[in-house]
Amino acid sequence: QSALTQPASVSGSPGQSITISCTGTSSDVGGHNYVSWYQQHPGKAPKLLIYDVTSRPSGVSDRFSGSKSDNTASLTISGLQAEDEAEYYCSSYATRSTYLFGTGTKVTVL
Amino acid sequence: EVQLLESGGGLVQPGGSLRLSCVASGITISSYAMNWVRQAPGKGLDWVSTISTGTYYADSVKGRFTFSRDNSKNTLYLQMNSLRAEDTAVYYCAKSPYSGYLGGAFDIWGQGTMVSVSS
Repeated sequence: QSALTQPASVSGSPGQSITISCTGTSSDVGGHNYVSWYQQHPGKAPKLLIYDVTSRPSGVSDRFSGSKSDNTASLTISGLQAEDEAEYYCSSYATRSTYLFGTGTKVTVL
Repeated sequence: EVQLLESGGGLVQPGGSLRLSCVASGITISSYAMNWVRQAPGKGLDWVSTISTGTYYADSVKGRFTFSRDNSKNTLYLQMNSLRAEDTAVYYCAKSPYSGYLGGAFDIWGQGTMVSVSS
């Protein structure tokens, strides 16, 4: 099973909105509503931002939102802030209780 | 507050073995699917294994790694045998968001423990 495909980098200015894509196949992203997103700052453990495509855990800013169309999921960050500069990963249920992560996207706040 | 604390990492030669532990506080591990995720230096996240009513493994570790739990100690274990250079990574244990959830989201992570496989 190959990793899900994400753009290597995305950038935006403070206050702007950016979207990160996560492309898989009909066997993973397209086959279930079990897509999640994580934020990871250097040297830190990942933080869950979104699960089940659109759900936000308690305490996560509503500036983060998720969506999915066919085999591609997306994470949108609205009102970009300096603290959003980090690596972002998607994840999806694959088959028989196995899971795939995305290749990761470096978000830069200009 | 829910906390996960990993230990047991270190330097091991190729072909060697290591056992990682993850002690949980603030939750009862038997109530949740629990997971191991690793991250090689400078690389992305890589799902390793999940334990719930069954145990599931990535193809890359199947037959070499064993995930188990001791409910009385609220502790998880990852027994890693026949280690390879490509197993070098920070290993995180992580919890699923709610009881019975098997969708692969991980809401609480430990700080990680480093495993280095080298001669």
